[in-house]
Amino acid sequence: ETGVTQTPRHLVMGMTNKKSLKCEQHLGHNAMYWYKQSAKKPLELMFVYSLEERVENNSVPSRFSPECPNSSHLFLHLHTLQPEDSALYLCASSQDAGEGTQYFGPGTRLLVL
Amino acid sequence: GDSVTQMEGPVTLSEEACLTINCTYTATGYPSLFWYVQYPGEGLQLLLKATKADDKGSNKGFEATYRKETTSFHLEKGSVQVSDSAVYFCALSDLGYKYIFGTGTRLKVLA
Repeated sequence: ETGVTQTPRHLVMGMTNKKSLKCEQHLGHNAMYWYKQSAKKPLELMFVYSLEERVENNSVPSRFSPECPNSSHLFLHLHTLQPEDSALYLCASSQDAGEGTQYFGPGTRLLVL
Repeated sequence: GDSVTQMEGPVTLSEEACLTINCTYTATGYPSLFWYVQYPGEGLQLLLKATKADDKGSNKGFEATYRKETTSFHLEKGSVQVSDSAVYFCALSDLGYKYIFGTGTRLKVLA
């Protein structure tokens, strides 16, 4: 497998559920990112990890909790979400944080009921 | 703060028409500039990039020139194809860990 993969591709959850999104990169990169993509809004950077350390957290509500156990894997744990959190969640990686080209996964389409 | 502004879509063109998607930016430093493309059901893919003033990025017939004097990075293609139908995002990477994206411009090419 190559590139950046994300699972699941689609997720429907209730506001009281707990779920996790998974991202894996096979590119040997040191940095990984979570973005939120909502209709008619710019891509929103949520979290940045560099060598498994969180280096950016853009005022994201605590109901989103990232985890980076190693440089190849990134998780986004979700709990007590709101309907307005429904969006496409994109994972990306780059060789180093804030530099060069980002490579994106296909995203997880999340619907919160 | 840094920002990227790109033209509102959707843009609808006939096959073989010329394409221009405008992008302007504001930045405190000397950013790198990117165009990404998103096909239906997929994540963003890098289309082209430029890292300094007057650089021209090109790929798959698309071009964009980094114009510092006008703070612009317009995307152009001389002859579009139906397969170019997608959403195009202008982006910049500046100091620190910031990547700033525009809102995206949807392109629809008709046969």
